Amino acid sequence: KNQVEQSPQSLIILEGKNCTLQCNYTVSPFSNLRWYKQDTGRGPVSLTIMTFSENTKSNGRYTATLDADTKQSSLHITASQLSDSASYICVVRGGATNKLIFGTGTLLAVQP
Amino acid sequence: GAGVSQSPRYKVAKRGQDVALRCDPISGHVSLFWYQQALGQGPEFLTYFQNEAQLDKSGLPSDRFFAERPEGSVSTLKIQRTQQEDSAVYLCASSFSRLSSYNSPLHFGNGTRLTVT
Repeated sequence: KNQVEQSPQSLIILEGKNCTLQCNYTVSPFSNLRWYKQDTGRGPVSLTIMTFSENTKSNGRYTATLDADTKQSSLHITASQLSDSASYICVVRGGATNKLIFGTGTLLAVQP
Repeated sequence: GAGVSQSPRYKVAKRGQDVALRCDPISGHVSLFWYQQALGQGPEFLTYFQNEAQLDKSGLPSDRFFAERPEGSVSTLKIQRTQQEDSAVYLCASSFSRLSSYNSPLHFGNGTRLTVT
């Protein structure tokens, strides 16, 4: 079954610290992997889109990595800010129907 | 507009009532998607439009759910005879490219939170 699993489920860090969120997937065939940020009460906002051939992609303080061999991705947040508090969702496009398959997200809380 | 707009922002319906949720995609966007997001979960696919054509409705949970996009822009998701299990956030997303353009980003609206009492 095509699945996207994220860890941890939730995370609390202090402002200014770094953190790394994990995503493992079993989707096959694979088209691309996306990370979205979803603030409470808002729709998801795209952070990065990575294809099979891309190992890393950055967007400001966000850096995503992809290992297509092990089917793992990570999202690293550097020098966290209070505004980084949100749910971070890993999304894989693929499978027989090439649809977007969403993970359940990691809920990040950045505290002062 | 500047982004995907959804209305109403919140909707409370009594069980058995019909509801209609509206989505205004970004102007010129070909693809439009509806998703259902339960609390603490990721969005689940409901249906996909390419312009006015509904190309995939495999995610609609029952025949009580109906979506349309008659002129290829605004879309409406209608839920008939609402049930408590329909309570969720309904997200609309649009994309400039067709679904076959695998790497095009999706732009989401802020959703409609439906509560069925």
